[in-house]
Parts: sequence; C-alpha cells; structure tokens
Amino acid sequence: DGGITQSPKYLFRKEGQNVTLSCEQNLNHDAMYWYRQDPGQGLRLIYYSQIVNDFQKGDIAEGYSVSREKKESFPLTVTSAQKNPTAFYLCASSISGGASSQYFGPGTRLLVL
Amino acid sequence: GESVGLHLPTLSVQEGDNSIINCAYSNSASDYFIWYKQESGKGPQFIIDIRSNMDKRQGQRVTVLLNKTVKHLSLQIAATQPGDSAVYFCAEVYDKVIFGPGTSLSVIP
Repeated sequence: DGGITQSPKYLFRKEGQNVTLSCEQNLNHDAMYWYRQDPGQGLRLIYYSQIVNDFQKGDIAEGYSVSREKKESFPLTVTSAQKNPTAFYLCASSISGGASSQYFGPGTRLLVL
Repeated sequence: GESVGLHLPTLSVQEGDNSIINCAYSNSASDYFIWYKQESGKGPQFIIDIRSNMDKRQGQRVTVLLNKTVKHLSLQIAATQPGDSAVYFCAEVYDKVIFGPGTSLSVIP
C-alpha cells in the first residue's frame, strides 16, 4: 500500500531534550511538509521541502529543524529551544509543491513530561 | 464557518439529514480549494477539491460549492451517517496552502 507513515504515534519529551519525529512516504512525491496542530486552530506550517537536499522555513520554524537526505524521508527534530512543544504534529506530501493536493500521515502527538 | 478562538464551530445533524459546512477564504487569487476530513487522533483525509474556474463539483455523497464573489466555499454531505462525524476543514491554495481551523460535525443517531 502506498502512503505516508509517521512514528511514533505518541512521544514524550523531557525538558531540555531534543526529540525527532519520523515521516516516510512511498508515494514518490517530491514535496513534503511538517505542520503543527493545536486545539481550535488551523494547521500551521513548520518546514517544507520541495526537493531532496532542499527545505524552507514555514510560518513557525523557530525551535525546529529538518533534513531531506532522501526523497522518501523528512524527519523533524523538536529542539529544546521550542518552549511549547506539546501539540499534534502532521507530516504531508504532495506530487509537487504549490497547487497540488497534500496527503497526510496519521500524526504524532508530542507531550512534555 | 471559521473560528479564531479555541473552540471549533460545531454542527449537529440528525442521521440521514444533509449537512452543510461552510468556509470563508481570504485570498481572491486562490485558484484551488480542498476539503479535508479529520477524525479524532488521526491525520486529515482528502475528500474533494475544486479549481477556481468551477462553481460546483460532486463526489460520492459530497458536493463542494464555490462562490468567488463572496470568497465562500461549502461542503454538502448527503444522507449524513455516524461515520461522517469528524472535523472538516478547507484549504485554499495560491502560492502556498492555507488551512482553516475547521468545523466539528456531530451526527446524532
């Protein structure tokens, strides 16, 4: 089955700790995205990548980092600089950037201990 | 409709009735619109899309209407079922994608 997978489903972070969220897709999509979802708010873009080895900051990139070494993978690291990391994190991909439909993974819920 | 607060707009519908979920978008230059369904604890699922050169598009049990004059988008669900209970949100696309906060649909059996 083609699709997007995210792991883990739940992740706990201790204060001062960096954590990495995994996102993998086998749809052969060029573009991948990371969003943060908070209750009652729309999705907010953290980072996006339109092609391998290239990525751009979204609207709320501070405290996060990404890499895009492979087309299939776009991991997100939540660093200790992110002071309010508790949220639902969604990864998405699309055939290309811009005006193409994005398909989402199942999400990772990050909680702070 | 859209929400700027912490509480999503909620729509309660009797099973079997039709549902209409509304969305106001912001940019008159947006040329592509998407509706997503998100069940609790899951990622959003693509439902239907529409391009700005269309006024209406139909899928299976769903219809999207686009009114560019007032920058309004609606999603109609026919014969609403309990499995339709979810948060529905629209997205507008110009050079990037902007997502609305969504509307929570609750189906009463």
